[in-house]
Order: sequence, then structure tokens, then C-alpha cells
Amino acid sequence: DQQVKQNSPSLSVQEGRISILNCDYTNSMFDYFLWYKKYPAEGPTFLISISSIKDKNEDGRFTVFLNKSAKHLSLHIVPSQPGDSAVYFCAASGGEYGNKLVFGAGTILRVKS
Amino acid sequence: DTGVSQDPRHKITKRGQNVTFRCDPISEHNRLYWYRQTLGQGPEFLTYFQNEAQLEKSRLLSDRFSAERPKGSFSTLEIQRTEQGDSAMYLCASVMGVSTEAFFGQGTRLTVV
Repeated sequence: DQQVKQNSPSLSVQEGRISILNCDYTNSMFDYFLWYKKYPAEGPTFLISISSIKDKNEDGRFTVFLNKSAKHLSLHIVPSQPGDSAVYFCAASGGEYGNKLVFGAGTILRVKS
Repeated sequence: DTGVSQDPRHKITKRGQNVTFRCDPISEHNRLYWYRQTLGQGPEFLTYFQNEAQLEKSRLLSDRFSAERPKGSFSTLEIQRTEQGDSAMYLCASVMGVSTEAFFGQGTRLTVV
């Protein structure tokens, strides 16, 4: 039973355009959400997070939006750069999971120059 | 501070052998997590330490797996009588205080042949 789902296995975007990565969750008790980026043969790197009491958090080119009623969050990258090409994981914590992270399966982002 | 360090980066072992991985967390981080990632999936929680106390273990962690964190510093994860299904990337993450933002190491890729 996947509680965090990233339904798009891959996404291809032109350099300079917006990348939108989506994530859905089923557990309404999750109260904190994070995005991680992972390059091949490296561990995940923290990108940005959002608490369930907010609906938007912005950090430079990265913005995360949270829609609690839809149990949906998205990561926007503007403008996209070739160095953004990586696997992006959505993760959630809270509820019965406490401070453990529950990850989605990831979305491969390719930014074409 | 060089971040979370894991050793070895790669390990190839024959089925039935025992293996041990090491994780050195960021020095002031009191919480340490082990996750396992298989191809096409996000990381899955294995176990968690707060200082030297192992507070939680996933049901994914069979009796062949054991983890320790003596003195609340580095941690080891041992797998006894390895099976081909144990082949995966083993990730260590550390967290400071009550934060939810986990910092991951580069992982140990285990291949059981």
C-alpha cells in the first residue's frame, strides 16, 4: 500500500522552462512534506520542505505547493537548468509514521539544453 | 564537517556471507536512520536510533539484520547469511534535534551474487 505516490516516472523539459513534479498522498495524518533530489550513485539531497499548516514555500528557483484537501503537492522549478536533471523524490512524515520519512518512487527529470 | 559518510560505497558478496556497513553521521546530529532503496523505488525505512538507543525497527528488517549505534556516534548495519533479495542501496541519514530534514549519506550499494 503506497501512501506516497509519484505517478509520473519521468518528465522531460526544455532548459529555461518550468518543471512541475507532482506527488499524491493518502494518509491525512502526514504533517510535513519534503522533496529530495538524487543523482546517480549518490544519496538523496534535501531540496525544500513544507509544513501542513502552509500551502506554499519558496526557495530560489524551487517552490512547493500543498493542497491538503486534494492530498496533493507539487514542486515547481523555474527556470529549469540542465544541472537539475536528476531523480526527484517526494517524502512525507507524521501521523503513525512519526519522524520517519515515507517516500514516493521518484520522478526522473531530464532538462534538455 | 563533511556530511554523512558511509563505508564501503560498494560491496559485492556471495550468498550466505555476512556483511557489515558503517555510517558516520553529522557530528551534532542525535538521530540516525537506515533506509534501503531498490531499483525504481524510493528509500524504505529500516531502523532508527536516537543517540545510542534503537527506538524503532521496520518489519522489513528480518532477524538476519542487526544495527547498532554504540556511544551514539557512528552506526553499523550487519546482514547475516545474505540473500540475493538483499541486493539494494543501503542509505544512512542523520537528523539534528527535532528537525524533520534528514541528511543522507552517499549509500552503500550491496550486490549479492
